[in-house]
Amino acid sequence: SQKIEQNSEALNIQEGKTATLTCNYTNYSPAYLQWYRQDPGRGPVFLLLIRENEKEKRKERLKVTFDTTLKQSLFHITASQPADSATYLCARHTGGFKTIFGAGTRLFVKA
Amino acid sequence: NAGVTQTPKFQVLKTGQSMTLQCAQDMNHEYMSWYRQDPGMGLRLIHYSVGAGITDQGEVPNGYNVSRSTTEDFPLRLLSAAPSQTSVYFCASSKRLEELFFGEGSRLTVL
Repeated sequence: SQKIEQNSEALNIQEGKTATLTCNYTNYSPAYLQWYRQDPGRGPVFLLLIRENEKEKRKERLKVTFDTTLKQSLFHITASQPADSATYLCARHTGGFKTIFGAGTRLFVKA
Repeated sequence: NAGVTQTPKFQVLKTGQSMTLQCAQDMNHEYMSWYRQDPGMGLRLIHYSVGAGITDQGEVPNGYNVSRSTTEDFPLRLLSAAPSQTSVYFCASSKRLEELFFGEGSRLTVL
């Protein structure tokens, strides 16, 4: 069965640095991967989608990569700010109408 | 613009009691789904629906029932609550599965 694995350890970085989060998946490569942000006590919010044939995608300070050889996606936040502190979730489509999520990585950006 | 609305936000049940978590969306999305989120386990898909009258099971359907009589509503029923169902429940809707819109969650405790 397909799985999504994210680093369960929290990531602590200094304001202004680049945060890099990792998402690894198993089995066949999905047509696309999604990244969501979740704040404490809130529902996840969609950030970015990257397709299998796209190596990189950017949105403002966010950059996502998709490496089908490594079965991995990297999520970067450049010039990080304390307001970027949240949990970031990676998700993939598993065929049919199902989307599965990783457990998420908690990011803390210190001022 | 309400998006996805979940009620109640908090609920405490005793073992064996039944209840319904409500979910409504005003975006005319055909796809709706229910997830539960537990610490360290991420979001797990319970049930989903691709339109009125059509539902199917996700990863963890046991103990839960759903129905979809209208495009807008997708209630989740717990027929006989168990402590293992203590969790945070999220409803999501989508037009094309490439971007899920989540509600703010319903926090359920089963004693």
